[in-house]
Amino acid sequence: AQSVAQPEDQVNVAEGNPLTVKCTYSVSGNPYLFWYVQYPNRGLQFLLKYITGDNLVKGSYGFEAEFNKSQTSFHLKKPSALVSDSALYFCAVRARRLASNTGKLIFGQGTTLQVKP
Amino acid sequence: DAGVIQSPRHEVTEMGQEVTLRCKPISGHDYLFWYRQTMMRGLELLIYFNNNVPIDDSGMPEDRFSAKMPNASFSTLKIQPSEPRDSAVYFCASSLVGLAGGRDYEQYFGPGTRLTVT
Repeated sequence: AQSVAQPEDQVNVAEGNPLTVKCTYSVSGNPYLFWYVQYPNRGLQFLLKYITGDNLVKGSYGFEAEFNKSQTSFHLKKPSALVSDSALYFCAVRARRLASNTGKLIFGQGTTLQVKP
Repeated sequence: DAGVIQSPRHEVTEMGQEVTLRCKPISGHDYLFWYRQTMMRGLELLIYFNNNVPIDDSGMPEDRFSAKMPNASFSTLKIQPSEPRDSAVYFCASSLVGLAGGRDYEQYFGPGTRLTVT
């Protein structure tokens, strides 16, 4: 079965420190991986994706994520956190199927990031 | 581009009433998704369409929920009769996958409809 796990309900970091939000996945074949951010009372916004190629993917707002196939992980990172990064972060995966494209994404349960001044 | 449009943004209704949520996807997108978000259950996929055809409705909680997509630019999610446990934020999202793949795949979410059933 396909699944995504975000092992931390909440991550707390001080402004200016590096941040990591963890994500692991379980799918058959090579996955497509995504990160989304949700600010209060807003819809989810796309941050970045990994499809193929370089394992380090750069996205919006200075975020990046590293795809690690052996560890089946896709952790979200940022070198220096801002208070405005405080939000709910979702990891998602879509299994690649050559014969058909479902378009469906499987989301993790979300991780709340709190950046304190 | 206006993005995904949802209406209404807020809906307060009494138990037993019919509720209809509306969604206009991004023009040209071939997939449309309905999600529900609550504190208890997180983000749940209810149903999704490809080229206006429902593909997977296994997430629809019960027969009180129904969804339609009469054309490429409009979809509705209906709850009849509504119950207090249906209170949640309902999101619509769309994406472009295409026949041969290799497209964006990422989903673009609307602002959501906050439903409160009293």
